[in-house]
Amino acid sequence: NAGVTQTPKFRVLKTGQSMTLLCAQDMNHEYMYWYRQDPGMGLRLIHYSVGEGTTAKGEVPDGYNVSRLKKQNFLLGLESAAPSQTSVYFCASSLPTTGFQETQYFGPGTRLLVL
Amino acid sequence: DAKTTQPPSMDCAEGRAANLPCNHSTISGNEYVYWYRQIHSQGPQYIIHGLKNNETNEMASLIITEDRKSSTLILPHATLRDTAVYYCIVRVNFGNEKLTFGTGTRLTIIP
Repeated sequence: NAGVTQTPKFRVLKTGQSMTLLCAQDMNHEYMYWYRQDPGMGLRLIHYSVGEGTTAKGEVPDGYNVSRLKKQNFLLGLESAAPSQTSVYFCASSLPTTGFQETQYFGPGTRLLVL
Repeated sequence: DAKTTQPPSMDCAEGRAANLPCNHSTISGNEYVYWYRQIHSQGPQYIIHGLKNNETNEMASLIITEDRKSSTLILPHATLRDTAVYYCIVRVNFGNEKLTFGTGTRLTIIP
């Protein structure tokens, strides 16, 4: 059981290039999330998904797109990278339950540098 | 979701109890208090959560005041591996399930 994995671990892009970050989870979780973390700041939610085929915007969605074609995968795309998107990106997943208990499990992060 | 206030940093001696405070004076009746931590360069890790009763698990204890306007996370015997940023989050447990992270408390365990 690998939990939440992210690919790649580190990437350098030039301004204007595109790329896709992959998040995979093997816990059969319904919900998945993409966050970014910048120095001195907490995590901010970019996009999230409450199930296969559905996505929604978080706090900072501009410049990103996402897709959830398979339940276990959540892709984050940057169509035209900008230096402001230099950050550490974390993926998370959770299994919503009744009884109001919910824990998010995070991946190890992807460090992205946009020059 | 209600906002939280935490001290930016704290130190604690190894082996002693680390007590991390959190103020959430505008918390609503249906909002839970969650604690996560983030060890350097890793993804956040869930620690504990509660509604109004005190909670304990293998990692920590959570003490919530009777008026629910503040809480304290207690690490009973801090080790060097507990050095991390600790986030206090308040949120409802239904809806879109997202977490809102603030800047947290940077806890340093001193040998």
